[in-house]
Amino acid sequence: EVQLVESGGGLVQPGGSLRLSCAASGFTFSSYWMSWVRQAPGKGLEWVANIKQDGSEQYYVDSVKGRFTISRDNAKNSLYLQMSSLRAEDTALYYCARDADTPYGGTDYWGQGTLVAVSS
Amino acid sequence: QSVLTQPPSVSGAPGQRVTISCTGSSSNIGAGYDVHWYQQLPGTAPKVLIYGNTNRPSGVPDRFSGSKSGTSASLAITGLQAEDEADYYCQSYDSSLSGYVFGTGTKVTVL
Repeated sequence: EVQLVESGGGLVQPGGSLRLSCAASGFTFSSYWMSWVRQAPGKGLEWVANIKQDGSEQYYVDSVKGRFTISRDNAKNSLYLQMSSLRAEDTALYYCARDADTPYGGTDYWGQGTLVAVSS
Repeated sequence: QSVLTQPPSVSGAPGQRVTISCTGSSSNIGAGYDVHWYQQLPGTAPKVLIYGNTNRPSGVPDRFSGSKSGTSASLAITGLQAEDEADYYCQSYDSSLSGYVFGTGTKVTVL
């Protein structure tokens, strides 16, 4: 059974940093692109970033470029999102998601999310 | 901001058919990228409902169907049931943004 379990969320002041983690199990982690998707309170879904199987390519939504870094450790079956220079508008539930194994195939499994709140 | 536009809400009586549109542009749906649909029940993570424009994962009832034409796509729900009350999102890839984009989301209400 595919499982994605996020951790690392919390309350952080504007301008601060936070590192999210996602522990993956139930599939061959190193064979899949992985994504982070977020959802602000009461709002819709926003794709944040994704990373290639070997970590050699990463892509970001414009609003987080230069502030967020997606990375992975295939030996630990783990995905990460390093967030810095956080803003109030980054407040959201952050989901770890597995990309489908076809090009541009969307995401086929989601975690339950970890909440990030940016406030003074 | 979302580049895929959906109606904010649709509603229907039990048993009826409802459709949700997803309008994109020449850099995403119109460029030939597949459209995927997700269902988000209240308080839960999204779940894939339709992938690759028309395909249903195992376990998804055949009451749900997807289609795509030009720069738009649609999700149809036939035989609407109370358990279908949820938020629905379309998703595609956008070549000008070099990333995935989601639709604005549609809340389905069963009257």
